[in-house]
Amino acid sequence: QSVLTQPPSASGTPGQRVPISCSGSSSNIGSNTVNWYQQLPGTAPKLLIYSNNQRPSGVPDRFSGSKSGTSASLAISGLQSEDEADYYCAAWDDSLNGHVFGTGTKVTVL
Amino acid sequence: QVQLQESGPGLVKPSQTLSLTCTVSGGSISSGSYYWSWIRQPAGKGLEWIGRIYTSGSTNYNPSLKSRVTISVDTSKNQFSLKLSSVTAADTAVYYCARARRSYDILTGYYNYFDYWGQGTLVTVSS
Repeated sequence: QSVLTQPPSASGTPGQRVPISCSGSSSNIGSNTVNWYQQLPGTAPKLLIYSNNQRPSGVPDRFSGSKSGTSASLAISGLQSEDEADYYCAAWDDSLNGHVFGTGTKVTVL
Repeated sequence: QVQLQESGPGLVKPSQTLSLTCTVSGGSISSGSYYWSWIRQPAGKGLEWIGRIYTSGSTNYNPSLKSRVTISVDTSKNQFSLKLSSVTAADTAVYYCARARRSYDILTGYYNYFDYWGQGTLVTVSS
């Protein structure tokens, strides 16, 4: 069902930089902004990045987002144990006329 | 601080209609450039957008669910609701309600994002 493709897992040791990719198409990422959500175990998703690279108030600056063409990326710099979570990209899809989410990436801190 | 809270039956029989309500507190559902959505997540799986409603009553639905979904809003109660008909076991999931903020930037144009989410409610479809 997911229209946006993410790697199923990513990992790193504390302090490392972990990138997460999100691949879409011209009807979603290619023509609309990308948002990222963090979902800690057993909780609702939380907005992490909006409009490709903007951080809401309270989100640490070690989280950063970027977009190029039909792909987007989230980077976690200085990985911390509390960053263990599932991460989802999302965008509006002009063809479906609705929101689409990524397949999700589980980040593990080794 | 805006808060959203889902409510409704946790168990629905196959072929029946799932009904959930989201109550918004800490602000008027009618104020600002927002719209209101339902999103679901089967156990161990990803997020699926179900649909959205503006307080004007205008709606959009996920094409894969459109024939079975109705989202409505009651501004007097600061609530919006979801009805999903003819449910099967595949509709078993945690259902979230969420607020989407719609904004404009001269560089990116219009953009939207979910800034507030309810805690989610598990709905199981089983006889």
